[in-house]
Amino acid sequence: NAGVTQTPKFQVLKTGQSMTLQCAQDMNHEYMSWYRQDPGMGLRLIHYSVGAGITDQGEVPNGYNVSRSTTEDFPLRLLSAAPSQTSVYFCASSYRGEVFEQYFGPGTRLTVT
Amino acid sequence: TQLLEQSPQFLSIQEGENLTVYCNSSSVFSSLQWYRQEPGEGPVLLVTVVTGGEVKKLKRLTFQFGDARKDSSLHITAAQPGDTGLYLCAGGQGGSEKLVFGKGTKLTVNP
Repeated sequence: NAGVTQTPKFQVLKTGQSMTLQCAQDMNHEYMSWYRQDPGMGLRLIHYSVGAGITDQGEVPNGYNVSRSTTEDFPLRLLSAAPSQTSVYFCASSYRGEVFEQYFGPGTRLTVT
Repeated sequence: TQLLEQSPQFLSIQEGENLTVYCNSSSVFSSLQWYRQEPGEGPVLLVTVVTGGEVKKLKRLTFQFGDARKDSSLHITAAQPGDTGLYLCAGGQGGSEKLVFGKGTKLTVNP
């Protein structure tokens, strides 16, 4: 199993550009989520999904869109990038249950200039 | 807003020393998870504790969940350079999909 994969590994955008961060998992996990990690701020939840066709907002959803058309894929879209979105982005997945033990991808380091 | 406070924020020790890091909250959690993150990689789950007072051991790492399920600690015995990393705690509420993460303790073990 590849686990959770993310592409690209690194990305530089100019303010106002759009892009999609890709995330895929091959563990048949129902739950998937996106976090951003900033120095001194820890991991903050952006959006999450409990199954195909179902998404919900996390702590910091503004400026980001998600969709979940399949169990495997959960892309994160930035419609108009801003310097405040410079961060490291992690996708995670888990089984649904009483305890959501997260499997994280390797991350995407995004810089917006 | 539920918060998890981790302390210390930074810890630099010599190989062979013992250490304890803490994860505290004013809220009750149904489960508490510990992750380790190495530079340039995603966090990796170390352990989950779910019962107040529960103690779990993973080789030289000992994890404890407080009796009231508001706090947790991670103790490392005879630290090694390979233990270097960012240690994150995350709290969960029963049935909720959202985890609350602490900001982490950055541990450096010097040879």
